[in-house]
Amino acid sequence: GQQLNQSPQSMFIQEGEDVSMNCTSSSIFNTWLWYKQDPGEGPVLLIALYKAGELTSNGRLTAQFGITRKDSFLNISASIPSDVGIYFCAGQGAPGGGSEKLVFGKGTKLTVNP
Amino acid sequence: GAVVSQHPSWVICKSGTSVKIECRSLDFQATTMFWYRQFPKQSLMLMATSNEGSKATYEQGVEKDKFLINHASLTLSTLTVTSAHPEDSSFYICSARGRRGTDTQYFGPGTRLTVL
Repeated sequence: GQQLNQSPQSMFIQEGEDVSMNCTSSSIFNTWLWYKQDPGEGPVLLIALYKAGELTSNGRLTAQFGITRKDSFLNISASIPSDVGIYFCAGQGAPGGGSEKLVFGKGTKLTVNP
Repeated sequence: GAVVSQHPSWVICKSGTSVKIECRSLDFQATTMFWYRQFPKQSLMLMATSNEGSKATYEQGVEKDKFLINHASLTLSTLTVTSAHPEDSSFYICSARGRRGTDTQYFGPGTRLTVL
């Protein structure tokens, strides 16, 4: 089945630093999504990308949908302590036939040292 | 963004009992709801897809007789873990999606199930 490779698995950074994480896939997706999950909570949607090449920002977060439709990255600028958490990428196929299911990466655990 | 709630947020039960978890979309009609489980330090694993008014579609390896899913209305889906055992202890998360197939999935806050 489809698999997503998300890297890095974990990051330890200083407050104020920029962060970059990415996901690659063996197959194409129609939609790329980035979620953040805090301990004991459900994932919260950060950014949704719907078109190949699309670059979208949400505050200090920027994400891009790769041209090949097989990859996406998420950047966080000027990190702050509340950015701590686990970040998941997810790919979604075309509607119908069950491919609208989300396929998740394994997550990137971010630690920000004040 | 859209709001999805889950109830209860946590539950502790004895082995052999059944537990029902509710998932509600509060401000939109969810034609499709998804149920996931997540083990510690792991990613979300899709258990089943539930469309309103029809039978759920289970992922390979998920026992449909053990994890009963009902999606009776456009705002409510339930997951019942029947005859729960300690290995069923996990974090169960639902998500809901609106009418269009391209609509984004919004996740509930999760339910922590502990089976003693």
